[in-house]
Amino acid sequence: EPEVTQTPSHQVTQMGQEVILRCVPISNHLYFYWYRQILGQKVEFLVSFYNNEISEKSEIFDDQFSVERPDGSNFTLKIRSTKLEDSAMYFCASIRGLYGYTFGSGTRLTVV
Amino acid sequence: ILNVEQSPQSLHVQEGDSTNFTCSFPSSNFYALHWYRWETAKSPEALFVMTLNGDEKKKGRISATLNTKEGYSYLYIKGSQPEDSATYLCAFRGQGAQKLVFGQGTRLTINP
Repeated sequence: EPEVTQTPSHQVTQMGQEVILRCVPISNHLYFYWYRQILGQKVEFLVSFYNNEISEKSEIFDDQFSVERPDGSNFTLKIRSTKLEDSAMYFCASIRGLYGYTFGSGTRLTVV
Repeated sequence: ILNVEQSPQSLHVQEGDSTNFTCSFPSSNFYALHWYRWETAKSPEALFVMTLNGDEKKKGRISATLNTKEGYSYLYIKGSQPEDSATYLCAFRGQGAQKLVFGQGTRLTINP
């Protein structure tokens, strides 16, 4: 069964550093998403991406965040200057049509 | 602000027993309700996507019902097995929205 692949599975970074989280969505999917879960809190939506542009973003997704689909297969989330409160599990997801989101296994980001 | 709530937050059940838990969501502007099963270090696994009021879906020993008029869904597990131990997430999708709004999850532990 096709999978959404995320790398790395765990990343530790110093506060203020830039991080790039990588995702390879399912190849024929059209919509791509990033979600995150801070420990002990709900999974929360960050951004959706369709047709090479952001289609919706949450209040969390400020100027420190950006997304790209540089080569038609990878989908990346960049955090420019990480803060302690960015520590969370980040999930990538993709969907082809109306239903059936497929999630990756997540990248645990720890900011120290 | 959309709010999705799940109860209970955690549940311990004896192997062989049946159990159920609840997801409540906004009763207006409904499009779909998703259920996921999430084991640590794995991708959230899609269980059901429910769209119609009165819908009842089944997958093996797991089933779910949907009441969109009152804004709740139940997930049932019959004859619990140790492999059912996981966090069960529900997520609401509104009309015209791409994003999912998640509940906080029900952490289920099956005691052998």
